[in-house]
Amino acid sequence: GQQLNQSPQSMFIQEGEDVSMNCTSSSIFNTWLWYKQDPGEGPVLLIALYKAGELTSNGRLTAQFGITRKDSFLNISASIPSDVGIYFCAGPSLYNAGNMLTFGGGTRLMVKP
Amino acid sequence: DAGVTQSPTHLIKTRGQHVTLRCSPISGHKSVSWYQQVLGQGPQFIFQYYEKEERGRGNFPDRFSARQFPNYSSELNVNALLLGDSALYLCASSPGLYTEAFFGQGTRLTVV
Repeated sequence: GQQLNQSPQSMFIQEGEDVSMNCTSSSIFNTWLWYKQDPGEGPVLLIALYKAGELTSNGRLTAQFGITRKDSFLNISASIPSDVGIYFCAGPSLYNAGNMLTFGGGTRLMVKP
Repeated sequence: DAGVTQSPTHLIKTRGQHVTLRCSPISGHKSVSWYQQVLGQGPQFIFQYYEKEERGRGNFPDRFSARQFPNYSSELNVNALLLGDSALYLCASSPGLYTEAFFGQGTRLTVV
């Protein structure tokens, strides 16, 4: 089946630092979604990308849809303690009907105050 | 505006029992999907329903079933529970069939 590989698996950074994480796949995706999940909660949609090469921002977050349609990255600028959580990439591939999302394994972000 | 609501929030069941989980989508959304999230992993797709019809099914055994009602709410049923069914069950609602998904807070199921 399709897999999304996220890296790094976890990050421990200083408050105020910029963060970069990425997501790669062996198959093409026509949409990339980035979610954040806090403990005991459901994932919250952060950014949605629909076109290859698209660069989209949401406050301190910026995400890009890779030109090959097989990767995406998420950047967080000037991290703060509330950025702690698990970040997931997800997407429905061209070969799936409907909105069946495949999720990556997540990047766990931990911030030192 | 109300988001996706799921009930119950927590549930403890015994092996072999049956469970029903419920989901109300965001008002106006016609698609509901169900995901299973085991601790330490990303969510895994179980079902998608759109306009009361099943439009997608993940790699889960027949013990898992679901349905969508005329008001677009949905139920996920799991029969003959196994210890491995312990997980966070997430419901996601979408305006249409191919649009982004918005998740509820989940139902934490523990099978003992």
